[in-house]
Amino acid sequence: GAVVSQHPSWVICKSGTSVKIECRSLDFQATTMFWYRQFPKQSLMLMATSNEGSKATYEQGVEKDKFLINHASLTLSTLTVTSAHPEDSSFYICSATYPGGTASTDTQYFGPGTRLTVL
Amino acid sequence: TQLLEQSPQFLSIQEGENLTVYCNSSSVFSSLQWYRQEPGEGPVLLVTVVTGGEVKKLKRLTFQFGDARKDSSLHITAAQPGDTGLYLCAGAKGATNKLIFGTGTLLAVQP
Repeated sequence: GAVVSQHPSWVICKSGTSVKIECRSLDFQATTMFWYRQFPKQSLMLMATSNEGSKATYEQGVEKDKFLINHASLTLSTLTVTSAHPEDSSFYICSATYPGGTASTDTQYFGPGTRLTVL
Repeated sequence: TQLLEQSPQFLSIQEGENLTVYCNSSSVFSSLQWYRQEPGEGPVLLVTVVTGGEVKKLKRLTFQFGDARKDSSLHITAAQPGDTGLYLCAGAKGATNKLIFGTGTLLAVQP
């Protein structure tokens, strides 16, 4: 159990276009999902925390108008990169929290990632 | 600000050797997790440690959480090429389940 999927797995787009990435928890309900960005051979950098039914909380330095997050249900969160530019090219990973009773016992399960390339 | 520093950053060893990866911080964490990530994939959870001083074993991998819950280590015995990957520690603070990831350790095990 505790499977998280992302779609698409990779996308190539032209500069100026918008791209939507979906994150789904397949076999559990996740009240909280997280979006990360990762550059080659580097660690994950948290972009935002997505809570079902409320506005996302963005980390310092992340433009909320550029990276739109919608968490419409307990199993789906979407990240839209608006007016994408080459510097937005990266590996985007989501995670969903599998509830363990308390915040300290919750476990995050990660999606397989989406490779975005902006030409 | 990167709160979790991992060392070494890169490690290339021969099959059969032992190794230890360290994850250090000046902050206290309520829990700490270790992940392994392969190229083009998401991180896969290896273990979660919660109690200071806790030691957990997963086959050839031994994880330890520091007594003060500020640091952790991962020891791999008799490394195999299949252990190759990016190892990440991640700490959770307080009541939030937000994770802060370490800087990562890229391990290559040569056959």
